[in-house]
Amino acid sequence: GAVVSQHPSWVICKSGTSVKIECRSLDFQATTMFWYRQFPKQSLMLMATSNEGSKATYEQGVEKDKFLINHASLTLSTLTVTSAHPEDSSFYICSASRPGLAVYEQYFGPGTRLTVT
Amino acid sequence: AQKVTQAQTEISVVEKEDVTLDCVYETRDTTYYLFWYKQPPSGELVFLIRRNSFDEQNEISGRYSWNFQKSTSSFNFTITASQVVDSAVYFCALGNLQGGSEKLVFGKGMKLTVNP
Repeated sequence: GAVVSQHPSWVICKSGTSVKIECRSLDFQATTMFWYRQFPKQSLMLMATSNEGSKATYEQGVEKDKFLINHASLTLSTLTVTSAHPEDSSFYICSASRPGLAVYEQYFGPGTRLTVT
Repeated sequence: AQKVTQAQTEISVVEKEDVTLDCVYETRDTTYYLFWYKQPPSGELVFLIRRNSFDEQNEISGRYSWNFQKSTSSFNFTITASQVVDSAVYFCALGNLQGGSEKLVFGKGMKLTVNP
């Protein structure tokens, strides 16, 4: 099956710093990638939809200046949490949509656990 | 608005018991997709099944089975003869095409604990 990787798998950073999380589709080209956030014991909430070569579409309530998303190539999307604060501590999961196949062939990465101290 | 309700938040069973995880969805779309995912403690989502709105056939895969009923907007998931390895959080999700984007809306998840 298709593989999506995320790097790093976990990161601890100090409040006020920025953190970049990478999402890569390893064996297919993904025109669309999605970023989700999951707080402990809660569900996944879609943050934004990222299309290669264009600006990301953010869900209501998600600050686009705080969560910068770049989808520079068909295999890589990055999420940068700028000026991180403890409330940004969460599990961030990306998924990649594989074009040309049945709708919703969406493959999830293993997630990145961010802890802001 | 799209919505997925998993009324059960946590279930604990003893190994070999059967367990059913309920999922009720809301959508105004005629074309949509329903999913079940498993999230073990490691955090990685494991895809279990995708069903489109035009296919109401129930499905069985080993110890897993799914019952899709459009009349009640439900897509329930049954694990037969549960095993300790089935312990995880299970999410039901609804997908539709909004503005050409394949968005997924997840339920709150149901934590299943299977005790030996």
